[in-house]
Amino acid sequence: GAVVSQHPSWVICKSGTSVKIECRSLDFQATTMFWYRQFPKQSLMLMATSNEGSKATYEQGVEKDKFLINHASLTLSTLTVTSAHPEDSSFYICSASGRGFGANVLTFGAGSRLTVL
Amino acid sequence: QKEVEQNSGPLSVPEGAIASLNCTYSDRVSQSFFWYRQYSGKSPELIMSIYSNGDKEDGRFTAQLNKASQYVSLLIRDSQPSDSATYLCAVRVVANFGNEKLTFGTGTRLTIIP
Repeated sequence: GAVVSQHPSWVICKSGTSVKIECRSLDFQATTMFWYRQFPKQSLMLMATSNEGSKATYEQGVEKDKFLINHASLTLSTLTVTSAHPEDSSFYICSASGRGFGANVLTFGAGSRLTVL
Repeated sequence: QKEVEQNSGPLSVPEGAIASLNCTYSDRVSQSFFWYRQYSGKSPELIMSIYSNGDKEDGRFTAQLNKASQYVSLLIRDSQPSDSATYLCAVRVVANFGNEKLTFGTGTRLTIIP
């Protein structure tokens, strides 16, 4: 089946530094990548949607200059949290869909737990 | 009104009984509905998808959809301790610029009591 590899699975960083999270589709072409954030005991909140080769579409309230998303190829998308602060500590999850499937068939990465000190 | 609403629980069900999870959604034009299971610290995994009114069965799981009432449910028969998790209801919506996205409910925490 379709697999999305996400790493790092956890990261601890100092306040003010930047952190990059990668998601790779291993056996399919991920035309669309969705990035979610999940705070403890809350649901997944969509941050942005990116289509390969296009600029990401950010959800209302998500700062595009703080959460940089790159989807330059059909197998790789990255999320960079710039100048991270403790309130950015969360569980970040990517999910990908392949050509023609839209959002009906999503494959989730394993998630990345970010802790900002 | 939230786009997708679920009771947060916790819902406790004895082992072997039927667990019933409910979800309502606000967007009348939504056509695709999903149930995900999420264990603590893990990413969600798809259990069921349903697109038409009525019931859809897959093993011990049955999804039920009523578009007129904007209601979707998940029944888990013969509940097992391994079913203890948070169950997320998700609805596919068409957002701005034609992008499709999944909107998730807050999840219902289910505990199966041995």
